[in-house]
Amino acid sequence: QQPVQSPQAVILREGEDAVINCSSSKALYSVHWYRQKHGEAPVFLMILLKGGEQKGHEKISASFNEKKQQSSLYLTASQLSYSGTYFCGTAGSSNTGKLIFGQGTTLQVKP
Amino acid sequence: NAGVTQTPKFQVLKTGQSMTLQCAQDMNHNSMYWYRQDPGMGLRLIYYSASEGTTDKGEVPNGYNVSRLNKREFSLRLESAAPSQTSVYFCASRARGQETQYFGPGTRLLVL
Repeated sequence: QQPVQSPQAVILREGEDAVINCSSSKALYSVHWYRQKHGEAPVFLMILLKGGEQKGHEKISASFNEKKQQSSLYLTASQLSYSGTYFCGTAGSSNTGKLIFGQGTTLQVKP
Repeated sequence: NAGVTQTPKFQVLKTGQSMTLQCAQDMNHNSMYWYRQDPGMGLRLIYYSASEGTTDKGEVPNGYNVSRLNKREFSLRLESAAPSQTSVYFCASRARGQETQYFGPGTRLLVL
């Protein structure tokens, strides 16, 4: 089951904040966040593991509610370089690394 | 250190033609993955190889075959291409004991 991301798209001015949500119907071991710019490969941002461990980007934070199977990505004081499409990928276990990705959230930061 | 490389970058095929997409990584990673990405959609896993010598199906394996040639290389083959296989194909790899997947630049495939 593909995780559901919301919102589908968001437009910000530089310096504004944004929250992107990812919700799954299955129990999760980890949630991965990636950013993809047009015509490029996805780039790793953040991983949240069951049990509370987080690894990732300095200026981006995220939360993981294991009971609700939800994760949120927090982009604070957005910069023009934050523009792109954000994907969450969910894993039910760590053994294989199989990720199921959401449909993406497009973020546009304007000057 | 090139990371994950993919060839070709772009390919046009006619319906029924076959081709192999190549992927290689120089990070000594154990696991490798093939995804496809269609417009407006996220990445969908086609096949993966958890370690050298093993392969397994992902979400959308129909119409594809894979070969884990050695630890470095993981190829994706389309035996008889169909227009529905028009997509961008990404290869990724992951180190043993790590969670992060590193993606290649992608192959853009158009099937006419």
